[in-house]
This record gives sequence, C-alpha cells and structure tokens, in this order.
Amino acid sequence: GENVEQHPSTLSVQEGDSAVIKCTYSDSASNYFPWYKQELGKRPQLIIDIRSNVGEKKDQRIAVTLNKTAKHFSLHITETQPEDSAVYFCAASNGGYSSASKIIFGSGTRLSIRP
Amino acid sequence: EAGVTQSPTHLIKTRGQQATLRCSPISGHTSVYWYQQALGLGLQFLLWYDEGEERNRGNFPPRFSGRQFPNYSSELNVNALELEDSALYLCASSHDSPGRTISGANVLTFGAGSRLTVL
Repeated sequence: GENVEQHPSTLSVQEGDSAVIKCTYSDSASNYFPWYKQELGKRPQLIIDIRSNVGEKKDQRIAVTLNKTAKHFSLHITETQPEDSAVYFCAASNGGYSSASKIIFGSGTRLSIRP
Repeated sequence: EAGVTQSPTHLIKTRGQQATLRCSPISGHTSVYWYQQALGLGLQFLLWYDEGEERNRGNFPPRFSGRQFPNYSSELNVNALELEDSALYLCASSHDSPGRTISGANVLTFGAGSRLTVL
C-alpha cells in the first residue's frame, strides 16, 4: 500500500528565514498531495495542496513543489513568522474510487520559529 | 455552517472495555475518515466510509470497527480496549469522495477530536 515518508521530524529556524519540509511517496498512482498544519491543541487544517498535473503551486509565503519522477514533494515557507510554529503533515492520495483509495499522511514535522 | 463535530471530547475507559466515538460531518459531505493520533505521533489512517459503506481500512486489528448512518454521521467502536489505544481520535469529512470529481481532490475538514484514555 501507499507509504509516505516525511523529513525532518523536527525543524527549528530563525524568524524570517525559510523552512523546507520534504516528503516521498511510494504509490506511483498518487495524484493529490495536500499539506495540513496542526497548531498545538488544535485540529489539522489544510494549508495548500497540489495535483499531479502541476509542478509547483504558491500561496503567499508558502509553496509546494512536486517531482513525479522522483516521487517526492516539498513544502517551502519563506519569511517565517512565530505563527508558523506548528506540526505540518504531508499526505498523498490516488484519488481513484477503488478499495485502495485512501489518504495517507506522513509522520509530521514539528516546526519551531526562534525569535 | 457547522463544522465537523465529534463526541465525546474526552473518554476514560479501563482495559477490556468498549469505547464508542461519534462524528457528524459537514452538511453535504458524504465521506468520513477516522484517524488515530497517539501522543507525539502522526495521523494513522483507521477507516474510510462513504455513502454508508466501509470503503477502506488501515492496518488496525478487527476490534476497531465502525459504521456510517444514512445521515452520513459515523461511529467508531473500539472493543477490548488496550492501554496503547489511548490516543486522540480524529474524524474528518470530505465533499469530494475519490473518483467522483474531475479534480480528484480529497480536501479533509477535521473535527476537534475525541481523546480516549485507557487505564
């Protein structure tokens, strides 16, 4: 079945610097890759997603890149701010309506922004 | 519009007992997903329900089961509770179930979770 690996597990960056979180997936049929942010004590929320027909997507300070050949995708946060401190989860889904369809999450990255 | 609601917020049980957790999806969402989040760990996929049917399940023993009702709400049952079942159980609902849309998107909206403690 699908397996999603996420690195690093913890990341500490200086406020204003950039943060990069990387994920790899195993199922070549995966075609949808969302990123969720979970602040302390709160529920995960979608922050950005990308579909397999797109190589890069940006939304203000966050961007996601996808390399289908290498089966990896990354989250980039620029000009980090204290409110970016949270656990970030990547996920992969093949989007097909079959018994194999499910959304698999990576293990999470705890991002800390140092003032 | 009400979000995904889960109950109870907290539940304390002892080993061997059964726990039942409930989830109401966003109105119009037909897919419900259950995830287990143990302390400090990631989101482990448990079950996916759509249109009243179990569509897929993760690598959990059969004592984890559930169902989806005609109104698309869902119930997660955990039988013969073990200490390691202590975790936050998150429910999520989705408007676009896999394969039904052109986009193929599965945007999940999560509930606040039910924290199960097994003593």
